[in-house]
Amino acid sequence: NAGVTQTPKFQVLKTGQSMTLQCAQDMNHNSMYWYRQDPGMGLRLIYYSASEGTTDKGEVPNGYNVSRLNKREFSLRLESAAPSQTSVYFCASSVGGGLLYEQYFGPGTRLTVT
Amino acid sequence: LAKTTQPISMDSYEGQEVNITCSHNNIATNDYITWYQQFPSQGPRFIIQGYKTKVTNEVASLFIPADRKSSTLSLPRVSLSDTAVYYCLSWGGSQGNLIFGKGTKLSVKP
Repeated sequence: NAGVTQTPKFQVLKTGQSMTLQCAQDMNHNSMYWYRQDPGMGLRLIYYSASEGTTDKGEVPNGYNVSRLNKREFSLRLESAAPSQTSVYFCASSVGGGLLYEQYFGPGTRLTVT
Repeated sequence: LAKTTQPISMDSYEGQEVNITCSHNNIATNDYITWYQQFPSQGPRFIIQGYKTKVTNEVASLFIPADRKSSTLSLPRVSLSDTAVYYCLSWGGSQGNLIFGKGTKLSVKP
């Protein structure tokens, strides 16, 4: 039982390049989330998926797209990376939505955009 | 939009009890209070959750007064390994309103 896994762990992009961050969970959870965390800041919700086949915007969705590929996988895409997207990205999952259910976090992806 | 306020940082010594208070003046009737812990270079980890009065688990206790406008996370006899950032969250009634805030950076000294 690996929990929540994220790939890659580290990535450096040039401005304008695109990439997809991958996230998978093996806990049969319904809800999945993408957060970003900037230095010295808390986590901010980018997008979430309450259940397979649905996605919704969080607090900071601009510049990102997501795909809930199946129940296990939830990817985050940067179409045209900008230096402001330099951050650590965390994926999380939970049995259900909201805070009523414990969220399990992945190890994070450190992204630098130059 | 539910929002929480907590101290930016706290210092403590090994063996002491640490209490971190969180203010959530606009908490809604159905909101729960949840605390997460985050170590450097790791994702947050769930600690404890409560609705009212007192909740205790093997890691911490959570005290929520009757008016529910604040809550206190209590860590008994902290050790160096409890040095981390602690986040207080209240659910804003919509899944899109999950707000972690900046958290409280707890530094435990020997």
